[in-house]
Amino acid sequence: AQSVTQPDIHITVSEGASLELRCNYSYGATPYLFWYVQSPGQGLQLLLKYFSGDTLVQGIKGFEAEFKRSQSSFNLRKPSVHWSDAAEYFCAVGARSGGSNYKLTFGKGTLLTVNP
Amino acid sequence: DARVTQTPRDKVTEMGQEVTMRCQPILGHNTVFWYRQTMKQGLELLAYFRNRAPLDDSGMPKDRFSAEMPDATLATLKIQPSEPRDSAVYFCASAPPNSYEQYFGPGTRLTVT
Repeated sequence: AQSVTQPDIHITVSEGASLELRCNYSYGATPYLFWYVQSPGQGLQLLLKYFSGDTLVQGIKGFEAEFKRSQSSFNLRKPSVHWSDAAEYFCAVGARSGGSNYKLTFGKGTLLTVNP
Repeated sequence: DARVTQTPRDKVTEMGQEVTMRCQPILGHNTVFWYRQTMKQGLELLAYFRNRAPLDDSGMPKDRFSAEMPDATLATLKIQPSEPRDSAVYFCASAPPNSYEQYFGPGTRLTVT
């Protein structure tokens, strides 16, 4: 079964600074990969996804993520963080096989605080 | 703008009472997921349905939780009797056919006193 690790529980950055949130997955093949964001009191919103092809994917709100097969990673980046980016971020993985159940396995999340 | 809707948004109830949470998936989506989110456990998958049929409910405490899809536009999650440890935010998500992209509702915040 697949699993997802987000090593950082909480990250604090200053507004305007760059951001990288880490995500490592465990799966026997190349999985489907996702990043979701959850603002306080809200549901999860899809930021971006990787299925195949170009390993650098662009998402909404200026975010991007890079799939690195050799490192089993799918880290989320943003060159300049805005105060409105303060939220919790979840990495998720979906298996390409296993009966196409289309379930996602979510990481525990990384809480992002943005200082003015 | 199609969205998943959930009712109620907030529910406070006393231990032992029955709680029913409702979810309306996005029209055309055929898979519905129920999740529970707590600070301690994070996001847990409770159950999910495809084409209204339950596919997996192994994440649910069977003695008190039940999930159903009476029709394609309504999914329900029921807790009877409720306990303080059930206090959490419950999310519904739906997905279109043959897709991993899940669209989440705003959640129901349940407090059991």
